[in-house]
Amino acid sequence: QGQLVESGGGLVKPGGSLRLSCAASGFIFSDYHMAWVRQAPGKGLEAIAYIRFSGAVVFYTESVRFRFTVSRDNNRNSLYLQMPSLRAEDGGVYFCARRAPTLTTASEAYDIWGHGTLVTVSS
Amino acid sequence: QSVLTQPPSVSATPGQKVSISCSGTSSNIGKNYVCWYQQFPGTAPKLLIFDNSKRPSGIPDRFSGSKSGTSATLGITGLQAGDEADYYCETWDNSLGVVVFGGGTKLTVL
Repeated sequence: QGQLVESGGGLVKPGGSLRLSCAASGFIFSDYHMAWVRQAPGKGLEAIAYIRFSGAVVFYTESVRFRFTVSRDNNRNSLYLQMPSLRAEDGGVYFCARRAPTLTTASEAYDIWGHGTLVTVSS
Repeated sequence: QSVLTQPPSVSATPGQKVSISCSGTSSNIGKNYVCWYQQFPGTAPKLLIFDNSKRPSGIPDRFSGSKSGTSATLGITGLQAGDEADYYCETWDNSLGVVVFGGGTKLTVL
């Protein structure tokens, strides 16, 4: 059915950088759009980046646009999120998720999620 | 402040029915399909409903979804203690050009 495993989170000082990775298995990675969704401590879900199967980026949420970069390597079945210039408000759990087409044209859903990786931005 | 509005919390007793609302606008729910996710503390969200009212395989028919105009509703019947979780609605916003989530609703089974 598919599995996603995130890595790369950790403690970083404000202004520092991290690169998150997401390893996919159990499905044809290159056939699916992928996304990053984050959740600040005690808060709700926020879709922050979405990349098509081809590598074309669909969107970044406003708070990370022009800072974060989402990319993928279909040969390695991997999704990435490059996060420079980190701020305290970037802290939280970052989930990798598959954005799959549903039964209806032009409709999609996050149907497979990783367990998440925790990013803490603190001095 | 989330683009989609959900009640912060709802509660009910075992066996009862509960409804969770998700209010949006003509640029999001009004023009697109809605999904619902269930999240237990410390775990990843799980897809519960897609295309407004359809259930992925393995999701019991106690869970249902509906949409009318710019609002969507998740219904849970025969409430069980194991349903206690956070629930999120989600859809595409045509004006913002992004996926948007509701703020989440914490379901408490009394």
